[in-house]
Amino acid sequence: KNEVEQSPQNLTAQEGEFITINCSYSVGISALHWLQQHPGGGIVSLFMLSSGKKKHGRLIATINIQEKHSSLHITASHPRDSAVYICAASPGNQFYFGTGTSLTVIP
Amino acid sequence: DAGVIQSPRHEVTEMGQEVTLRCKPISGHNSLFWYRQTMMRGLELLIYFNNNVPIDDSGMPEDRFSAKMPNASFSTLKIQPSEPRDSAVYFCASKLQMNTEAFFGQGTRLTVV
Repeated sequence: KNEVEQSPQNLTAQEGEFITINCSYSVGISALHWLQQHPGGGIVSLFMLSSGKKKHGRLIATINIQEKHSSLHITASHPRDSAVYICAASPGNQFYFGTGTSLTVIP
Repeated sequence: DAGVIQSPRHEVTEMGQEVTLRCKPISGHNSLFWYRQTMMRGLELLIYFNNNVPIDDSGMPEDRFSAKMPNASFSTLKIQPSEPRDSAVYFCASKLQMNTEAFFGQGTRLTVV
C-alpha cells in the first residue's frame, strides 16, 4: 500500500515549458514536503507546506488539504531543473515518500 | 553551519564484513533520521532518534542492522555482517523539531560485493 502517489513517474520537457508534478496522499498530515535530488547527489528540501501555496523563484507548490493533493509547478523550465522530485507526507516527525518524478529538461 | 555531514561518501566492502556509516547532524537539531534509498524501493526510513533516543526502529531490516546516537552531534549505522542486498545509498537527515524542514546529508553509497 502506497501512502503517497506521484505522477508522472518520468517527464521530459523542452526548455521554457511549464511543468506540473502531482502528489496524492492517503495519510493525515501536519505537513507536505517537496524534495529535489540531482543525479548522484544529495537531497534538498524545496518546500514544506501545510496549507495554500508557496513560491520560491520559478518554483511554486500548492496543497489542497481536503482533497489530499499537492502540486509542484516549475515555470520557464531550464536544463538545470533536471532532477528527481520527491513528495513526502509528514504526519509528525516521519516521512512517507512518493516514488519520485524524474524530470529531464532538454535545451 | 556545514549542514548534515556523512562519512564515508562511498564504501565498497566484501560480503560478511562489518560496515559503519557515520553522521553528524546540524548543531541544535533534535531529531535525526537514517534512510536507505534503492532503485526498487525508493527512500525508506530505517530509524529515527529524538533527543538521542531511538523512537522508531521498525524500518531496520533485520538484526544485522544497528544504530546508535551516543550524543547530540554524532550517530552511527552499523551493518554486521554485510550482504550484497544491503547495497544502497544511505542518507542521514536532521530536523530542528517536529513539523520543521528536514536537512539531508550527501549520502553514503554502499556497495557490498
